[in-house]
Amino acid sequence: KAGVTQTPRYLIKTRGQQVTLSCSPISGHRSVSWYQQTPGQGLQFLFEYFSETQRNKGNFPGRFSGRQFSNSRSEMNVSTLELGDSALYLCASSLEGIRNTEAFFGQGTRLTVV
Amino acid sequence: DAKTTQPPSMDCAEGRAANLPCNHSTISGNEYVYWYRQIHSQGPQYIIHGLKNNETNEMASLIITEDRKSSTLILPHATLRDTAVYYCIVRVAVGGSQGNLIFGKGTKLSVKP
Repeated sequence: KAGVTQTPRYLIKTRGQQVTLSCSPISGHRSVSWYQQTPGQGLQFLFEYFSETQRNKGNFPGRFSGRQFSNSRSEMNVSTLELGDSALYLCASSLEGIRNTEAFFGQGTRLTVV
Repeated sequence: DAKTTQPPSMDCAEGRAANLPCNHSTISGNEYVYWYRQIHSQGPQYIIHGLKNNETNEMASLIITEDRKSSTLILPHATLRDTAVYYCIVRVAVGGSQGNLIFGKGTKLSVKP
């Protein structure tokens, strides 16, 4: 089956602009999480969506937001971009249920802010 | 903060077993131990997870100590393609959120020919 798809793969933006990243989860997965990865801070959790509702949120400023659609696809938005927002943004999807299970990650979107 | 401690780096000879340790001395009774790895510039990949019994799958084995305060991931016959950063994560078990993974700095495993 198809894996987690993130678009675009690479993006260059200017400081002050905003950006929207997209994530299509594995078919049947209703949980979508977003992570930011930088050389200095490593992999950090941004937020998680389930059934179009934000269920968990990491410690990021309000410039970082997201949403999930009825087909479980998710988008994250970063407004007023700063140089420090340059990072690899990863999306992960997972099943929900009684049984503990794993998260499947996409290849990521590499954002460069200049 | 991550609840696990791992050595920052390890080397392993190709074809040999790679044994990656993880300390999770504050693990709770309802927390599982998960292992993921990340090959350079790719998304993390799930390897294995367990609660208290040893686990084995086609990729690796997971050995959890009886007191559950530490574990070891074993790659039985490491190949060059196993060179990656390996993350040990503890997380709450059944139900609820599955997506909130707290990553530490992991162990950078270098498999050498």
